[in-house]
Amino acid sequence: EPEVTQTPSHQVTQMGQEVILRCVPISNHLYFYWYRQILGQKVEFLVSFYNNEISEKSEIFDDQFSVERPDGSNFTLKIRSTKLEDSAMYFCASSNRGGHQPQHFGDGTRLSIL
Amino acid sequence: DQQVKQNSPSLSVQEGRISILNCDYTNSMFDYFLWYKKYPAEGPTFLISISSIKDKNEDGRFTVFLNKSAKHLSLHIVPSQPGDSAVYFCAASDAGGTSYGKLTFGQGTILTVHP
Repeated sequence: EPEVTQTPSHQVTQMGQEVILRCVPISNHLYFYWYRQILGQKVEFLVSFYNNEISEKSEIFDDQFSVERPDGSNFTLKIRSTKLEDSAMYFCASSNRGGHQPQHFGDGTRLSIL
Repeated sequence: DQQVKQNSPSLSVQEGRISILNCDYTNSMFDYFLWYKKYPAEGPTFLISISSIKDKNEDGRFTVFLNKSAKHLSLHIVPSQPGDSAVYFCAASDAGGTSYGKLTFGQGTILTVHP
């Protein structure tokens, strides 16, 4: 069964450094998402991406964050200058179309900011 | 953000019996609802969904019921198995509106199925 893959599984970074989280969505999917889950809190939506542009973003997704689909397979989340409060699990998800279609999630990247 | 709430942090059930997980929502614009299962160190795995035009959807041992007037949905697992032990998340979206499928999640319910 096709799946969403995320790398790395764990990323440790010094505060203020840039970090790039990588995702390979399911190959025929067109809609891509990033979510995060801070320890002990809910899974929160960050951003959705369709047709090579951001379609929706949350208030969490400020100027420090960016997303890119650099080629036909990868989908990346960049945090420009990490803060302690960016420590969380980051999940990538994809779906084959919008509307009433389930999103399929990767296993996440645990980001630890020191 | 309390738009989706799962009021029971945990549920313990005997193997073979029914597990019922509950979820409430407040946003009347939500029209698509999903249940995900999550094991430790893994991402959420899609289980079953329902759109607001239905009140029930069934897939094997899993059935989701939607009560729009009460803004309530539930997931029934029959019969429960020890392998069902996981965290279960309810999620909702305004799929028919301007949202591109953004999901709003509940806090999760830890289900433990005892042999």
